[in-house]
Amino acid sequence: NAGVTQTPKFQVLKTGQSMTLQCAQDMNHEYMSWYRQDPGMGLRLIHYSVGAGITDQGEVPNGYNVSRSTTEDFPLRLLSAAPSQTSVYFCASSQQVTSSPYGQFFGPGTRLTVL
Amino acid sequence: AQSVTQLGSHVSVSEGALVLLRCNYSSSVPPYLFWYVQYPNQGLQLLLKYTTGATLVKGINGFEAEFKKSETSFHLTKPSAHMSDAAEYFCAVSEGEVGDMRFGAGTRLTVKP
Repeated sequence: NAGVTQTPKFQVLKTGQSMTLQCAQDMNHEYMSWYRQDPGMGLRLIHYSVGAGITDQGEVPNGYNVSRSTTEDFPLRLLSAAPSQTSVYFCASSQQVTSSPYGQFFGPGTRLTVL
Repeated sequence: AQSVTQLGSHVSVSEGALVLLRCNYSSSVPPYLFWYVQYPNQGLQLLLKYTTGATLVKGINGFEAEFKKSETSFHLTKPSAHMSDAAEYFCAVSEGEVGDMRFGAGTRLTVKP
């Protein structure tokens, strides 16, 4: 199993550009989520999904869109990049937390810089 | 919504000393509580979790945490620090089995030789 994979690892955008961060998992997990990590603020939940076709907003959803057409994939779209979206983005997946001894599996992260 | 407060953004201990990282939570329902560790330039890895049952939870690498409902706390401890424990540690709370998980701001642990 590859676990949770994220592409790209690094990205530089100009203000106003759009892009999609890719996330895929091969563990047949129903639950997937996107976080951003900023210094001194920990991880903040952007969007999450409890299954294909079902998504919901987290703590900081503005400026981001998601969709979940398959169990495996959960892409994050930046509609019009802003410097405030400069961050490290993590994708995660899991089974139900009470049944999984591993909690959420995290991807390696995407480091995004918006100029 | 649920929230987590980690007391101390940076903790420094000597090798062999006790490690204590503090976490307090807020939740309107019985919470699920987690500690994750992050090594430089890596994703997060689960150390331990509390769901139900025994309030003292043992995790990997010799860490343990105790759920204290009366104090709304879930502090992480390790009796003897090792150099390899140097990392950033995050406490997290969830009000359900899946869904909205909230993380604390993190505590960076430094271990001095």
